[in-house]
This record gives sequence, C-alpha cells and structure tokens, in this order.
Amino acid sequence: QKEVEQNSGPLSVPEGAIASLNCTYSDRVSQSFFWYRQYSGKSPELIMSIYSNGDKEDGRFTAQLNKASQYVSLLIRDSQPSDSATYLCAVTQNTGTASKLTFGTGTRLQVTL
Amino acid sequence: EPEVTQTPSHQVTQMGQEVILRCVPISNHLYFYWYRQILGQKVEFLVSFYNNEISEKSEIFDDQFSVERPDGSNFTLKIRSTKLEDSAMYFCASNSDSPYEQYFGPGTRLTVT
Repeated sequence: QKEVEQNSGPLSVPEGAIASLNCTYSDRVSQSFFWYRQYSGKSPELIMSIYSNGDKEDGRFTAQLNKASQYVSLLIRDSQPSDSATYLCAVTQNTGTASKLTFGTGTRLQVTL
Repeated sequence: EPEVTQTPSHQVTQMGQEVILRCVPISNHLYFYWYRQILGQKVEFLVSFYNNEISEKSEIFDDQFSVERPDGSNFTLKIRSTKLEDSAMYFCASNSDSPYEQYFGPGTRLTVT
C-alpha cells in the first residue's frame, strides 16, 4: 500500500511566525510532489509543486524535497490568519500522462492572532 | 484565469438512483480525473481519463461507476445505483501535458438518503 503520511495537527502558530509542515511517502518511485491548501468545505487548491531535490520558493511558501529520505516539507513564512486551513501533501509516480495523485490526510494549520 | 467547473454543487438522491456529475475541465487540458472525499477523510483517487479512454481506476471505481466525455468540453461521472456510502464530495481535476499540476474543480456534494 503506497502511503503518504502527515501529522494531522492542529499545528498552531502565531501570526507572523514560520509554519513548518511535513510529509513522508513510502513509494520510492514517486516523481512529483505537490502541496494543496483546502479550506473547510472547499476543494484542494494547488499552492506548490516540486520535482527535484532541494528547495523551491514562491512568495511566502518554500517547498523542500529530499528523495533519499522520502520527505517533503512546506514552510510558510510570515503566517497570516488567512493561511489557516488544511494542507494536503500529494505525490504521483509519473511526471507525465494521466497520473493519479495519492494524498495524505492533511495537516490542519491554525494561525493565531 | 481558466478554471475547472462542476455541476451541480449539491445533489441529493435516494439510494438506488442513478446520478450524473458533470465537469468542464480547463480547455487546453488533456488529462482528466475524478476524486472523492468522504467527510473527515482524505481525498481518494477514483479514475483517470485520457484520449477518450480510462487510463487507470481505483478499487473504488467498480461496475457501478462510469465516465464519459460526451463532447469536446464536458467530462461526466455516472453512478448507476447509488449507495449510502457513496455520500461524499466528488472533485473533478485536470492537467495539461506540461506542467503536470492538477487543478481541481469546486466539487459536487453528493448526499444519498
């Protein structure tokens, strides 16, 4: 069974702090890694993708990938109350074609005032 | 900005009835997917579709489920005889050949009574 593991949280951080979200995956052939944000009752919204080892930055978000450790993380700098949501880690085996996403259960982030 | 659309937003049906959920993927995308999320659980893959045929399906996608692209824009999921356990949010997603990020529609909440 190919699994994606996340701590369910809630992870509580004060406004302005850095939130660090972690994810591990079991399938070594996983090639593509994604972070989605999901507000309660809404659909997953793509915020970051990462395909190779290292860091990828986009605004306040940084994704980090370590394929040897089968670990992917998301850092949110200067956390805002509007960042309060569930963050879903998702992986695929392929970099092309119709490739299903395998999701973790998500980490609930709470940004406090 | 192009987006995936889904109709209806909420569908209530009685057990044993057929339902059709509709999706309009992003216009230049080639790969289409259905996922579902039971309340409080993780997002699960149902089926992927490319070039007018199913690419992959999960164990959930049994003979009661079917997908179709009836024209150049719509992508549908049919459940032939709904069960109570089919109650969930159903999300349609699509992606292009490159990049491979999947974008989700707003979802259809299916309630089977």
